[in-house]
Amino acid sequence: GAGVSQSPSNKVTEKGKDVELRCDPISGHTALYWYRQSLGQGLEFLIYFQGNSAPDKSGLPSDRFSAERTGGSVSTLTIQRTQQEDSAVYLCASSYGGQHLGGGYTFGSGTRLTVV
Amino acid sequence: RKEVEQDPGPFNVPEGATVAFNCTYSNSASQSFFWYRQDCRKEPKLLMSVYSSGNEDGRFTAQLNRASQYISLLIRDSKLSDSATYLCVVSPTSGGSYIPTFGRGTSLIVHP
Repeated sequence: GAGVSQSPSNKVTEKGKDVELRCDPISGHTALYWYRQSLGQGLEFLIYFQGNSAPDKSGLPSDRFSAERTGGSVSTLTIQRTQQEDSAVYLCASSYGGQHLGGGYTFGSGTRLTVV
Repeated sequence: RKEVEQDPGPFNVPEGATVAFNCTYSNSASQSFFWYRQDCRKEPKLLMSVYSSGNEDGRFTAQLNRASQYISLLIRDSKLSDSATYLCVVSPTSGGSYIPTFGRGTSLIVHP
C-alpha cells in the first residue's frame, strides 16, 4: 500500500482480556518496528523485525507481549491479560531497513488502546 | 545519561521568529539522524534527514556535529503551522542494530 496501515484505530478492552493489533507495512519495506507512546511521553521501542532474521524483542515490557510477522509483511502485536498500564498508542513503522535509511521510517496512524 | 536528549520546551515564539533546537546523543556509533514532526494525537512524520555536511529544506536547516555528538534544527520565519513537537531520531546502523532511538521531543508553539 501507499502507507503503513494499522488496525484497529481505536480499541477499548476490559482488563484481563487479550488484544491483537495489526500493522501492514509499506510494500518492499523489510524492516518493521513497534513502538508505544503513552500520553505526553516519548516513543518506547517494543520490537523490531528485519527480513527473515529473528526479531529483536528487547523492548517488550513483559511476557504478556508478543509479536509476529508473517511472510515478511503483516505484523500482529498481541497483548495478553491486558492491564491498565498497557493503555497507550501503539505505533508501527517500517523502513527499507539495513543501511537504506535515506527515507527514514514511515509510521502508521497508530492504535489507541484503552484498558478499562 | 539518556541515549537521546532534547529540551522538552515548550518554545513559545511569535510568527516570523527564528528558533533552534538541539539534540544530544550518547552512542558514538550512530550513523543516521533525522528530525521528525509530531502533531497532537498524530503519528510522527519525517521532517528531514540530517547529513554530515548539513542540509537545508526551505525554512528548515539541520546540522550534525559528530565531535560534540549533537544535531540541531533551525526554523526560520516561523509559521503558526509549525506548532508541533519535534523529535530527534538517532540510529546506529552498525553492529547489526538498526533500531532508531527517539528523543522525547521539543514542543514548539508559534503564536500570532
